[in-house]
Amino acid sequence: TQLLEQSPQFLSIQEGENLTVYCNSSSVFSSLQWYRQEPGEGPVLLVTVVTGGEVKKLKRLTFQFGDARKDSSLHITAAQPGDTGLYLCAGETSGTYKYIFGTGTRLKVLA
Amino acid sequence: NAGVTQTPKFQVLKTGQSMTLQCAQDMNHEYMSWYRQDPGMGLRLIHYSVGAGITDQGEVPNGYNVSRSTTEDFPLRLLSAAPSQTSVYFCASSYSQGGGIEKLFFGSGTQLSVL
Repeated sequence: TQLLEQSPQFLSIQEGENLTVYCNSSSVFSSLQWYRQEPGEGPVLLVTVVTGGEVKKLKRLTFQFGDARKDSSLHITAAQPGDTGLYLCAGETSGTYKYIFGTGTRLKVLA
Repeated sequence: NAGVTQTPKFQVLKTGQSMTLQCAQDMNHEYMSWYRQDPGMGLRLIHYSVGAGITDQGEVPNGYNVSRSTTEDFPLRLLSAAPSQTSVYFCASSYSQGGGIEKLFFGSGTQLSVL
């Protein structure tokens, strides 16, 4: 069974600080996605990365896919209270139709 | 546009009872799946389907059955509920392209407690 480990598990920071969340695996993925989940709701897709070394930016969020396609990171610049939530990475091995999710990082941004 | 609809929102069962969690999508997605979410475990795949009449097991299929008679519906059945099945259950659907899943659309979840 593939295992996607995220770190840190919990993060509490002040508004305006920067942070990085990591997603690591021993498996190679054909694509990797990042989701954000609010309390009482299902996860919502933020980004998909498919090419080793790929970097994508979404406003203050920067996503990177590792060169070997085994790991990924999410960097948030100048965090805001609206960034508070559970961040999940999910990877798919080509043709398996199985998206395996990471353990999650719960972020709280204090005003 | 409703997207992915799950019912019920909350459910309490006694050990040994059976029930069906309903999931319907109106986006004509071929792919549908069920996940359970437990604290510190992320989401774990239970079963998935790539089209009507086709289902397959995920990471944690034991104790759950599924069927896919139509494109729109993908119910999850618990035949004999156990306390270990206490969890939040999410249904998700996606269009597929080139042999992969493009984007998962999630329902809002069913919170299940088994006493």
